[in-house]
Parts: sequence; structure tokens; C-alpha cells
Amino acid sequence: KQEVTQIPAALSVPEGENLVLNCSFTDSAIYNLQWFRQDPGKGLTSLLLIQSSQREQTSGRLNASLDKSSGRSTLYIAASQPGDSATYLCAVHMDSSYKLIFGSGTRLLVRP
Amino acid sequence: GAVVSQHPSRVICKSGTSVKIECRSLDFQATTMFWYRQFPKQSLMLMATSNEGSKATYEQGVEKDKFLINHASLTLSTLTVTSAHPEDSSFYICSARPSTGADTQYFGPGTRLTVL
Repeated sequence: KQEVTQIPAALSVPEGENLVLNCSFTDSAIYNLQWFRQDPGKGLTSLLLIQSSQREQTSGRLNASLDKSSGRSTLYIAASQPGDSATYLCAVHMDSSYKLIFGSGTRLLVRP
Repeated sequence: GAVVSQHPSRVICKSGTSVKIECRSLDFQATTMFWYRQFPKQSLMLMATSNEGSKATYEQGVEKDKFLINHASLTLSTLTVTSAHPEDSSFYICSARPSTGADTQYFGPGTRLTVL
């Protein structure tokens, strides 16, 4: 059974810092991996999707990497801003059914 | 961009009543929609996969007679929580996968259900 873990559970940093969020999964036979952002009481916004054959994806200040063999992904946020404060979730697709298995999330607070 | 809406955004009901939540894909067709629930400070747990024109597929431990799912069209799926109890209070989120075969899903804004 696939299990997705995110570390740390919570993170507080001053504005301007670069930071890394970690995601690990127990079964490396994933179809793809996706990072989402969730604001309090809101739905999810997709940030980056990495296919199983890819090593990384970039969008603006965000960079996500994937090491499928070791069961790890990281989300790098450069020059963090208070507006980046949210919960960040990683999720894996195990097959083409597109069912997502989510990690527990990292709650990020960027202090002005 | 692809937009998914949910209605209502927030509902409060008495114990024993039934509540219907709608999930609509506004600018694309979705053969498959997914229903998740999220307890406070926890992650999303998949409840069921809703397929247009066929029965939903429920995840282990989810009561299909309590959580009725109907996917009558390519743009609408509904989740009905029957005989709701306080333990059903949660945040319910749907997602929709475009029929064009895109790899991603688009998520609705969620529905906060509170059962008194």
C-alpha cells in the first residue's frame, strides 16, 4: 500500500529565504507526482506535475525534483514571500486511473 | 483555464438529514470526477471515483449507501450524504479530469459540511 509522507509538517521562515519541502513515497512504481497548494478553507491549486520519466519541473520561483528510485521528491521555493504562506501537498498517481494519494502536507508560514 | 465549481460552499444541517453537494466542470467535459474528504489539519482522503454513466467506485471503508454519488452528465457529479451525523462533518472536495485525457485533475473549492 502506497504511503506518502511530507516533512516537515510545519515550517516558519522569514521573507526572502529559499526553502525546501520534502515528500517521500514507499512504492516507487508511480505514474506521476504532483505538488499542490491549499489556502485555508479552500480547494487545491496545482503547482507542478512531474511525469515518472522526468527528473524535475520548474515554474517561476518553484522547482520540483523527482527521484523515483529512492521514492523522494522535493519542492524548492526561491526567495519566499508572505503570499507563499499556505499548505503544500504532494500527491502521487499510482496508475492511469488517476487516483491521487496525498501526503499530509507542510504548512508554510513566511513572515514579513 | 479549467474551472471546477462546487455548490454549496458551506452547509449546516441537523443530524439525520441528507445533504447534496454538486461538483461542476464549467469549461470542459469530465468523464471522471473524484470525491475527497479532508478533516481539520489532515490531508485529503479519496472517497470514490465517479464515472459518467456508470456506478461510482468506492475506496475501502467508504459506505456506498451513505455517500451516494451520481455522475449523470459530463459536467456534473453529485455527492449526497444520507442521514448525516456529526462525525460526517468535514471538508468535501471534488476534482475533475478532462475527457481529453490530460494527466492532471482540476479541483473544486470545497464544501464545508457541519452536522449539528
